[in-house]
Amino acid sequence: DQQVKQNSPSLSVQEGRISILNCDYTNSMFDYFLWYKKYPAEGPTFLISISSIKDKNEDGRFTVFLNKSAKHLSLHIVPSQPGDSAVYFCAASERYSNYQLIWGAGTKLIIKP
Amino acid sequence: EAGVTQFPSHSVIEKGQTVTLRCDPISGHDNLYWYRRVMGKEIKFLLHFVKESKQDESGMPNNRFLAERTGGTYSTLKVQPAELEDSGVYFCASSQGDSPLHFGNGTRLTVT
Repeated sequence: DQQVKQNSPSLSVQEGRISILNCDYTNSMFDYFLWYKKYPAEGPTFLISISSIKDKNEDGRFTVFLNKSAKHLSLHIVPSQPGDSAVYFCAASERYSNYQLIWGAGTKLIIKP
Repeated sequence: EAGVTQFPSHSVIEKGQTVTLRCDPISGHDNLYWYRRVMGKEIKFLLHFVKESKQDESGMPNNRFLAERTGGTYSTLKVQPAELEDSGVYFCASSQGDSPLHFGNGTRLTVT
């Protein structure tokens, strides 16, 4: 029973365009959401987070949107760059902390030149 | 600042053998976590240390897995005896307070 779902295993986007990665969750108790980026043979790297009291958080080219009623969040990357090619993981927790993060299966983003 | 380091990066062992994975967290980080990713699926929580104490080990699959964090510094995760389904990438992460987790590069374990 997956509480955090990333339904797209992969996504291909043209360089310079917007990349939109989606994540759905089932546990209404989640109040903290994070996106991590992972390159091959490396560990995940924190990208951006959002708490349930907000619906948007922006950091440079990266914006995360949270729709609590739909239990859905998305990560927007604009403009997409070749270095953005990686696997992106969505993660969530109940306690507005890193305690016992629940992870999605990841989406592989490929940026085409 | 040195990041989270894990050793070995790869390990191939036979079913029934023992393997010990090591994690050195970022200096000063009280929180240390072990996670596992099996066959390209989601990353799953194994356990959480606060300093030398196990805060939560509810994700440990069974009693073949033993984690320790002597002195609240580095941690080891021992699998004894290893089974085929234990294959995967084992990640260690550390944090201080509620700052985002810093992950190591993982240990890829293959049990044959």
